[in-house]
Amino acid sequence: AQKITQTQPGMFVQEKEAVTLDCTYDTSDQSYGLFWYKQPSSGEMIFLIYQGSYDEQNATEGRYSLNFQKARKSANLVISASQLGDSAMYFCAMRVVLGAGNNRKLIWGLGTSLAVNP
Amino acid sequence: KAGVTQTPRYLIKTRGQQVTLSCSPISGHRSVSWYQQTPGQGLQFLFEYFSETQRNKGNFPGRFSGRQFSNSRSEMNVSTLELGDSALYLCASSLGLAGVRETQYFGPGTRLLVL
Repeated sequence: AQKITQTQPGMFVQEKEAVTLDCTYDTSDQSYGLFWYKQPSSGEMIFLIYQGSYDEQNATEGRYSLNFQKARKSANLVISASQLGDSAMYFCAMRVVLGAGNNRKLIWGLGTSLAVNP
Repeated sequence: KAGVTQTPRYLIKTRGQQVTLSCSPISGHRSVSWYQQTPGQGLQFLFEYFSETQRNKGNFPGRFSGRQFSNSRSEMNVSTLELGDSALYLCASSLGLAGVRETQYFGPGTRLLVL
C-alpha cells in the first residue's frame, strides 16, 4: 500500500540549531515525487522542497534540504539554523501516478509539529 | 504572480444549511484540488478538477460536490451541513500536466464552523 509515515508528532529545537524531521514512504512505483510543506498556525500550506525518485542529488532550497535515502525509503527534511518563524506543522507528501495518462495522486503524512525555542 | 485565493476566509453555518466555497488558482494553472483538514483526520483529499472535468475524487459523501469553470476557477459545495463538516478547507492549484513532479500551491483556506 502507498503510504507516508511521519513518526514524530512533535519536535522541539533551539533557535539557530539544525533539526531533522523524519519521513518514510512506501510505494512499489519506480517513479514518484516527494514533497515537504509547512503549515503555520494561519493555516496556509506552504511548499518547501521537492525530490524526484530519479534525482541523484539531494534537493536543497535555502535553509531546507532533503536527505533522500532511496533504499531506505526515507525523505527526511533538514532545516538548518532554525528561526522562530519555523515553528509550524510540517507535512511530507508523495505523488504517484495512477494507471495510464496523467492521473496522479498525492499521499500525505499526518505531520510533525515543530516548536523553535528562543 | 498572484497566489491562490480562497473566499470566504471564515464561515459560520448551521446544520442542514448548504455552503459554497470559491477558489481562484494561480494564473496559468489548470488543475484545482480541494482538501478537508480536521485535527482528528488530518488532510483528506476531496477532489481534483482539470480543464473543467473532475479527474480524481476522494472518499466523501455525495453532499460534497465541486465544479470548475473555463477560467479554471473552482467552487466547492457542501449541502445539508453536519457538525462534522467543521474544518479548514484548502484549495490547491497546479499546472496539471507535470506528472509526479506536479507541485501544488495552496490558498489560505476557508475555516468553516457548523453549529
